[in-house]
This record gives sequence, structure tokens and C-alpha cells, in this order.
Amino acid sequence: ILNVEQSPQSLHVQEGDSTNFTCSFPSSNFYALHWYRWETAKSPEALFVMTLNGDEKKKGRISATLNTKEGYSYLYIKGSQPEDSATYLCAFIDYGQNFVFGPGTRLSVLP
Amino acid sequence: DVKVTQSSRYLVKRTGEKVFLECVQDMDHENMFWYRQDPGLGLRLIYFSYDVKMKEKGDIPEGYSVSREKKERFSLILESASTNQTSMYLCASNLGQGTTEAFFGQGTRLTVV
Repeated sequence: ILNVEQSPQSLHVQEGDSTNFTCSFPSSNFYALHWYRWETAKSPEALFVMTLNGDEKKKGRISATLNTKEGYSYLYIKGSQPEDSATYLCAFIDYGQNFVFGPGTRLSVLP
Repeated sequence: DVKVTQSSRYLVKRTGEKVFLECVQDMDHENMFWYRQDPGLGLRLIYFSYDVKMKEKGDIPEGYSVSREKKERFSLILESASTNQTSMYLCASNLGQGTTEAFFGQGTRLTVV
């Protein structure tokens, strides 16, 4: 069983704070790394798909980096807003097309 | 607008019943997945299918089976439901490569009593 870890498990920040969290995954057999946002009562939605070591992706106030050699990815949120409150999931994809999700980081942004 | 639809949002079943969870996607995706989500454990893969009639076991296949007779439909079957299968079940699909995002259904919260 592939092990994908995320830290922290949960996070409470004030509106306007910037924050970041980590996804750790196996550095061998890497094919792709995805980030998803999962809001309460909704389905998970993709934020980023990353494939190359050193990749950096950005969507508005959210960005992500990827280090495949050491097996980690960071997700950054700049100037957090209450609507950013959600669980953030990363998924490690290997060459066998297995999608293995981490346990998620639950973010709460307090107004 | 892409869509993955699960047949039920909430289900309550009795121990020992055979339970069918249906998932349909309208995007002509090759890959389809069934996950269960439990607090603190994230999404755990039960089965996935990469083509019609093809399936692969995930991390926790025990007590489950799947069926994919048509490309758009992937069914999860609980042969004899047990209380430890009470969970949120999520279906997902993607185009067939890990470089494309997965799209998720709205989830089915199953309670086995």
C-alpha cells in the first residue's frame, strides 16, 4: 500500500493570513501529483495537476510546488478568505495509474 | 459541464443485505474509481476500472465487488452489508491518464444497521 501523508491534519487561521501545508509521497514510480479542494457538502474539485520536478502552479491566491526527488509538494494560500475553508487533498499517481489520496488537511479560515 | 452522478445521496440498509451503489459519468472517461471516506483516513481506494469489464483491486476490496458492463457506468456491490461498511462512498472518473484530473460524484452516505 502506497503511503501518502499530509500535514497538518487541521489548521485554523484568521482571515488575511497566509498559510501552507505539505503532501509527502513516495519518490519512486512517480507519475503525477494532484491537489483537490473538498468543501463541505460538495464533491472534491481539482486545483492542480503536477508532473515535473520543480513544477510551480498558481490559481489566483493559491499556488503549489512539487519536488519529486524528495517526495513532497507544498500548497500555499495567500491572504486566506473564509471561502477557502475546506479540506485539501493531495493524490499521488504512479505508473500503474493508481490514484492514492492523502488523508487531507482541513482548513478553517475565521473571519 | 462534466458530470459524475451517484444514484443515491443517502442509503440505510440492514446487515446482510446486498447493496448496489451506482455511478454514471457522461465524459467518455476510461478510468472509474470507487473510494470510501472515513474520518481521519482520507479517501481509500476500493476498486478501479480502466476499461469496460476490466477491474483492479484497490487497497480495501474485501467485502466489495464491482461491475463495469458499459463504459459510462461503474457499480459497487456490497455482497452482504456489515456495520463496518457504514461510510461515505465516492465515485470518480478520469480520462485514462494520471495527468488528467479526476471528477467526483456527490457521494453516497451509507448506513448499515
